[in-house]
Amino acid sequence: SQQGEEDPQALSIQEGENATMNCSYKTSINNLQWYRQNSGRGLVHLILIRSNEREKHSGRLRVTLDTSKKSSSLLITASRAADTASYFCARGDQAGTALIFGKGTTLSVSS
Amino acid sequence: GAVVSQHPSRVICKSGTSVKIECRSLDFQATTMFWYRQFPKKSLMLMATSNEGSKATYEQGVEKDKFLINHASLTLSTLTVTSAHPEDSSFYICSARGRTEREKLFFGSGTQLSVL
Repeated sequence: SQQGEEDPQALSIQEGENATMNCSYKTSINNLQWYRQNSGRGLVHLILIRSNEREKHSGRLRVTLDTSKKSSSLLITASRAADTASYFCARGDQAGTALIFGKGTTLSVSS
Repeated sequence: GAVVSQHPSRVICKSGTSVKIECRSLDFQATTMFWYRQFPKKSLMLMATSNEGSKATYEQGVEKDKFLINHASLTLSTLTVTSAHPEDSSFYICSARGRTEREKLFFGSGTQLSVL
């Protein structure tokens, strides 16, 4: 399969807690991207980390990349109910080619 | 910036009819557009890649005659589901890549197709 794997498939937490989602992939990458999808909607780009980077931050988001283990993680700190959504990682090979998406993690944040 | 408009957002049709879905990049030129299909609680499956002015490249297992893709301009791509059947019911999402920030994709809001 082209797709990577994400875990957990579903995650339920309380507001204020941190949420960690993991993504593994099988082939080499140029970059790894994380997207968010609200139910029944399109995807919104969250953050991109390149293969030569190990960690990246954007607001309450922190992404790590371990190319030796072919894995990435997305950490959302101090979660809010509005963070409830599905989160997908996507493997980018090179500019111009399609992104290959993982299966996603469904995050539910209750207030 | 980087807004992609997709419509209709929802369509219900009878089996055997054709449905056209439009995807427009509103404030940038989309050199490449991608069409994905998504089943409930599943990931996005790439259907095809289209470059402006050239024929779409379809992924293995996607019927070219079933899913017609036209990328007539740098701001518009259409997906036509021909002779739709209930098994074509799904969520279809387009995405576009511009001339800048070429690694990112910008997504439309998706079209939920229900074939009766």
